[in-house]
Amino acid sequence: EVQLVESGGGLVQPGRSLRLSCAASGFTFDDYAMHWVRQAPGKGLEWVSGISWNSGTIYYADSVKGRFTISRDNAKNSLYLQMNSLRAEDTALYYCAKDTIHSSSWSFDYWGQGALVTVSS
Amino acid sequence: QSALTQPASVSGSPGQSITISCTGTSSDIGSYNLVSWYQQHPGKAPKLMIYEGSKRPSGISNRFSGSKSGNTASLTISGLQAEDEADYYCCSYAGSSTYVVFGGGTKLTVL
Repeated sequence: EVQLVESGGGLVQPGRSLRLSCAASGFTFDDYAMHWVRQAPGKGLEWVSGISWNSGTIYYADSVKGRFTISRDNAKNSLYLQMNSLRAEDTALYYCAKDTIHSSSWSFDYWGQGALVTVSS
Repeated sequence: QSALTQPASVSGSPGQSITISCTGTSSDIGSYNLVSWYQQHPGKAPKLMIYEGSKRPSGISNRFSGSKSGNTASLTISGLQAEDEADYYCCSYAGSSTYVVFGGGTKLTVL
């Protein structure tokens, strides 16, 4: 059974940093691209970032480019999102999501339950 | 404002069919056959229902189907059931600058 478990969320002040982690199990992690997708409270989905199976290709939404860094450790079956210079508008539930192929098909077939990030003073 | 435009709400009675539209541009839906659809129940994570425009993942009922015409993609649900009541989001690849765009979501009510 595929499982994605996010951790690292919490309350943080504007301008500070936070690191999210996603522990994957139930599939061959290094066979697939992975993504982060967020959802602000009561709002729709917004893709944040993606990374290919071997970290060779990395993608960011314009809204987070230069502030967020995605990475993965295939030996630990883990995905990460380093979030710097956080803003109030980054407040959201952050989902870890598995792609359907190793590079990216831009569709996400498994999702975690999310990690809540609240940016507020 | 979302990059893809969906109706805010649709409704139908059990057994009926409904269609949710998703309108983009020639830079996203119109250029790529990489539209996906997600179902989200309250308090739950999204679930992939359709990918690459019309393909169903394993385990997804054939009551769900996807199509595309020009810059508009559509999700059709036939034989509506009470458990289909949820929010539905469309998503498309949008090229090597924007990458991914989502619709604003459509709330489906089963009457």
